[in-house]
Amino acid sequence: DAGVIQSPRHEVTEMGQEVTLRCKPISGHDYLFWYRQTMMRGLELLIYFNNNVPIDDSGMPEDRFSAKMPNASFSTLKIQPSEPRDSAVYFCASSLIAGGLTDTQYFGPGTRLTVL
Amino acid sequence: GIQVEQSPPDLILQEGANSTLRCNFSDSVNNLQWFHQNPWGQLINLFYIPSGTKQNGRLSATTVATERYSLLYISSSQTTDSGVYFCAVGGSGNTGKLIFGQGTTLQVKP
Repeated sequence: DAGVIQSPRHEVTEMGQEVTLRCKPISGHDYLFWYRQTMMRGLELLIYFNNNVPIDDSGMPEDRFSAKMPNASFSTLKIQPSEPRDSAVYFCASSLIAGGLTDTQYFGPGTRLTVL
Repeated sequence: GIQVEQSPPDLILQEGANSTLRCNFSDSVNNLQWFHQNPWGQLINLFYIPSGTKQNGRLSATTVATERYSLLYISSSQTTDSGVYFCAVGGSGNTGKLIFGQGTTLQVKP
């Protein structure tokens, strides 16, 4: 398997613009997670899905952030409008249920977002 | 929520040395994973270890859930071991949600 795929790898945009980050999880995985990594806050979970359904979005910082998972092989994280404080590395991860508990999480390479 | 504390925050080793990284957590967990973030930013899962001991080559990990800590052992360190090591835990009723510690930054010098 190719692993978790994210695009784009780098994104530079101007404040106020819409940003869409994309993720393709590992085939067959039931869970998909979106994380954000910054120097100040470390790695924090934004939202996660189980079988394409959003389960917990309590980590989404503001209404400017939204995430969707229209099917088992694709998810998007959208920021509209973007602000400089959104600059971070955004990771997508997926995992497979094992024995009733979620198992190892596999991370994508991340998208480095810079908002000017 | 669960608090995760890793120590030490920074560690510098000479190639060939051994090291122990620690992860303390504040509540019962059903999920504990160790990750390595390499200098290029890639996060690699090392162990899924909510309890017990596992080994993978020069790396091993032990979690003592009743005492709320986990240890990651690196033996005969190599320069490629450099990077940040994260411990992440999930609480009771494990839903897959992981809380990450702040990490231990390891530098292995040749």
